[in-house]
Amino acid sequence: SQQGEEDPQALSIQEGENATMNCSYKTSINNLQWYRQNSGRGLVHLILIRSNEREKHSGRLRVTLDTSKKSSSLLITASRAADTASYFCATENSGGYQKVTFGTGTKLQVIP
Amino acid sequence: DAMVIQNPRYQVTQFGKPVTLSCSQTLNHNVMYWYQQKSSQAPKLLFHYYDKDFNNEADTPDNFQSRRPNTSFCFLDIRSPGLGDAAMYLCATSSLAGDQEQFFGPGTRLTVL
Repeated sequence: SQQGEEDPQALSIQEGENATMNCSYKTSINNLQWYRQNSGRGLVHLILIRSNEREKHSGRLRVTLDTSKKSSSLLITASRAADTASYFCATENSGGYQKVTFGTGTKLQVIP
Repeated sequence: DAMVIQNPRYQVTQFGKPVTLSCSQTLNHNVMYWYQQKSSQAPKLLFHYYDKDFNNEADTPDNFQSRRPNTSFCFLDIRSPGLGDAAMYLCATSSLAGDQEQFFGPGTRLTVL
């Protein structure tokens, strides 16, 4: 079964608004990563947060990790039409050794 | 630019006709992965290589095989494609020396007729 479950499955917002996506997982992890996938393309790595970190920022992205709740959130601020894509969380399990399991994904649509 | 390349981008095969997908990388990464992604689903790991050490996922069908002749190249062989094998196949790499992020190719979309 998949490690990560994402919520919501789909999200539609206006350009300029913030978008928040959540990821829950089941077992202990070394790190959690977020990836973006444009339609019909490969995935692009966005940000990685380690199990001993609680928050990380990269440009307009903010990721939080709560290991006690086994959950993470990705916030995209001031969204743009170009942010329209699917977003996946991916967890590297403790002892996983470079292997990650992807969540179900959130499909984000940013309306200009 | 260093990158992960997949050929072909689109592949059409017939039911039961063997097909090979290829992946090459200029990143000199130790680890290479093959994922299967069906429409609106998460990528599913089929197998990965740490250098030449092959690691098969428990639920990867025997119909799927892989070869990694050198650091740069990795192949996915589907011995007898079924209609259920139609999907996007994604190759990715990562470096043990790096931050565990994976670098993906653009994918090969496989159609089975």
